Amino acid sequence: EAGVVQSPRYKIIEKKQPVAFWCNPISGHNTLYWYRQNLGQGPELLIRYENEEAVDDSQLPKDRFSAERLKGVDSTLKIQPAELGDSAVYLCASSLKDEKLFFGSGTQLSVL
Amino acid sequence: KQEVTQIPAALSVPEGENLVLNCSFTDSAIYNLQWFRQDPGKGLTSLLLIQSSQREQTSGRLNASLDKSSGRSTLYIAASQPGDSATYLCAVKANQAGTALIFGKGTTLSVSS
Repeated sequence: EAGVVQSPRYKIIEKKQPVAFWCNPISGHNTLYWYRQNLGQGPELLIRYENEEAVDDSQLPKDRFSAERLKGVDSTLKIQPAELGDSAVYLCASSLKDEKLFFGSGTQLSVL
Repeated sequence: KQEVTQIPAALSVPEGENLVLNCSFTDSAIYNLQWFRQDPGKGLTSLLLIQSSQREQTSGRLNASLDKSSGRSTLYIAASQPGDSATYLCAVKANQAGTALIFGKGTTLSVSS
């Protein structure tokens, strides 16, 4: 069974540029999460989807971040414009509701 | 607001030792607790999940315990191996179905041969 797939693996951009991350969850997992992990810290939730509905986006900086999960499967997280402080690892995870989370390998973003 | 603390931040042991990693949380009203492993530059791998009604879970050389009333969990690793070297993170889900996990900062373990 394929795990959670994320792309790209690495991304280097200049500040003020846009960037997008893509996630394909495990088949059948209705819950999808985007987390951000800074160096030496635990992951922090950005947004959680139940199917195609964003049920928790309270920690998403909505002035520059947006996300979508079309048809309740793949998801895209976008930052526009990126700032230096956005440099981090962006992790996607999926689960059956309230069960174990399965994480992708993450996208390491460097904003110069 | 739930806070999760992991002590120590880093731990170095020789191969073969048994060791304990600690996790504490401020709000005892949790739904479940998970332990994850993270290798450098990689995502997180779920090791053990303990439901709020359970006291412990075991998988191979790993044993996780939960004392909800005192807000503590431990991860016991028996007969440590160099391949166990990684960062171990603890995460709790609030006592509401469907809420997201809140993570600690992790303990970085180094096992020397």
